[in-house]
Amino acid sequence: KAGVTQTPRYLIKTRGQQVTLSCSPISGHRSVSWYQQTPGQGLQFLFEYFSETQRNKGNFPGRFSGRQFSNSRSEMNVSTLELGDSALYLCASSPGGAGLRYEQYFGPGTRLTVT
Amino acid sequence: AQSVTQLGSHVSVSEGALVLLRCNYSSSVPPYLFWYVQYPNQGLQLLLKYTTGATLVKGINGFEAEFKKSETSFHLTKPSAHMSDAAEYFCAVSDAGANSKLTFGKGITLSVRP
Repeated sequence: KAGVTQTPRYLIKTRGQQVTLSCSPISGHRSVSWYQQTPGQGLQFLFEYFSETQRNKGNFPGRFSGRQFSNSRSEMNVSTLELGDSALYLCASSPGGAGLRYEQYFGPGTRLTVT
Repeated sequence: AQSVTQLGSHVSVSEGALVLLRCNYSSSVPPYLFWYVQYPNQGLQLLLKYTTGATLVKGINGFEAEFKKSETSFHLTKPSAHMSDAAEYFCAVSDAGANSKLTFGKGITLSVRP
């Protein structure tokens, strides 16, 4: 099976712009989670989608949003970018079933730089 | 709320030496525990996990971890370090609730000296 793919791998944006990141989960996986990784804060949970519904959400401002499509692919959007949004954004997929729910498989990430 | 503490940010060992990476967790309910590894410019890879049952868990690449409830610990070990083990290691905790999520520690960078 192909792994989790994320596009683009690298992005440079200017403060105030918005950005959309894409994640394609492993075939058959219904749960997609997003994480932000920074040197200062480490890995922080953004949100999780399961069957096109947001099932869980972390402590991030409303500028961070996401969605999931019927084929389980997911996108996350960050509006009004700030310098502090520069980070590696990781997507993870899992089957979503009980007992396996948190055996998550991570993609390589999208490196976002805000200037 | 759940939390994970990984003491120290960097561990250095000689090739062939024992690897011990410490992880302590806080959880008000029985936890699920995980160790992930991250190589430079890559995502995270699951090394091993504990959900229920046997408290000594064996993972990939010769790593293992033991769940000790009385010590709220889940330390990662490998008997003999290899140069290819150099990476960043993350301990994570979740519970089995319907709306649970993974909470990660800050991570430990492992260096292996020749």
